[in-house]
Amino acid sequence: QVQLQESGPGLVKPSETLSLTCTVSGGSISTYYWSWMRQSPGKGLEWLGYIHYRGNTDYNPSLKSRLTISVDTSRDQFSLKLNSVTAADTAVYFCARHYGPPRGWYFDLWGRGTQVSVSS
Amino acid sequence: EIVLTQSPGTLSLSPGERATLSCRASQSVSSSSLAWYHHKPGQAPRLLIHGASIRATGIPDRFSGSGSGTDFTLTITRLEPEDFAVYYCQQYGSSPPWTFGQGTKVEIK
Repeated sequence: QVQLQESGPGLVKPSETLSLTCTVSGGSISTYYWSWMRQSPGKGLEWLGYIHYRGNTDYNPSLKSRLTISVDTSRDQFSLKLNSVTAADTAVYFCARHYGPPRGWYFDLWGRGTQVSVSS
Repeated sequence: EIVLTQSPGTLSLSPGERATLSCRASQSVSSSSLAWYHHKPGQAPRLLIHGASIRATGIPDRFSGSGSGTDFTLTITRLEPEDFAVYYCQQYGSSPPWTFGQGTKVEIK
C-alpha cells in the first residue's frame, strides 16, 4: 500500500527558507506527478506546485518567485523549498500524488500533512 | 483562476440522514473536471469522486457526484459515523493553478 509522509521543521523564522520532504513508501515515485498543497488557518486548500518524476515542474503564480520543487527518484522523495517566508506561510503542508494527463489532475493519494509555523 | 464556492459552510445532520453539498464555479469547469475529497483533521484527505461523478476506488456507493458546467453536487445518501468530516471540491479542468473550494463541514446534529 503506497503511503506519503511529509517531514521537516515545524518552526521556521521569518525571512528564512522553509524546507519539506515527502517520502513515498510502498511504491515508486516513477510514473506519477507529485504536488504540494497547504492549508492556512481559517482558509481552504491552496495548490502550490507539482513535479513530474522526470523533473518538469509547474508552480502557482502566487508563489512562483519563492518556490522550488525537486525530486530524488533514487530515494523516492520529492521536496519543497519556499524562501523568504512570512507569517502568511504558516500552514499545514500536504504532499499528494496525481496521474496527470490523460486521466486528469485530481489527487488520488495524500499525506497526513505537517504543520509549519513561521515565527521568530 | 477559477473560484469555487461551497455551500453550506456547515451542515448539521444525524447519522442515517441524507447530505447534499454544493460546489459552484466562477466559470465553466471543462470536461466536468471536478473532484471531491473527504478530510478529517490529522488524517490524509481522501479522494471520493473525480470527473464530477466517478467514484474513486473503494468508495462506497452512498457517495455520489453530479453536475456539470458551473454547478456540482455531492450527495451522501445515508450518513455513517465516519462521514462526519470536511468535504472539499477541486477543479482541474483548466491550466494550473488548480483550485479548491473552502470546504463544507458535515457535523453531527
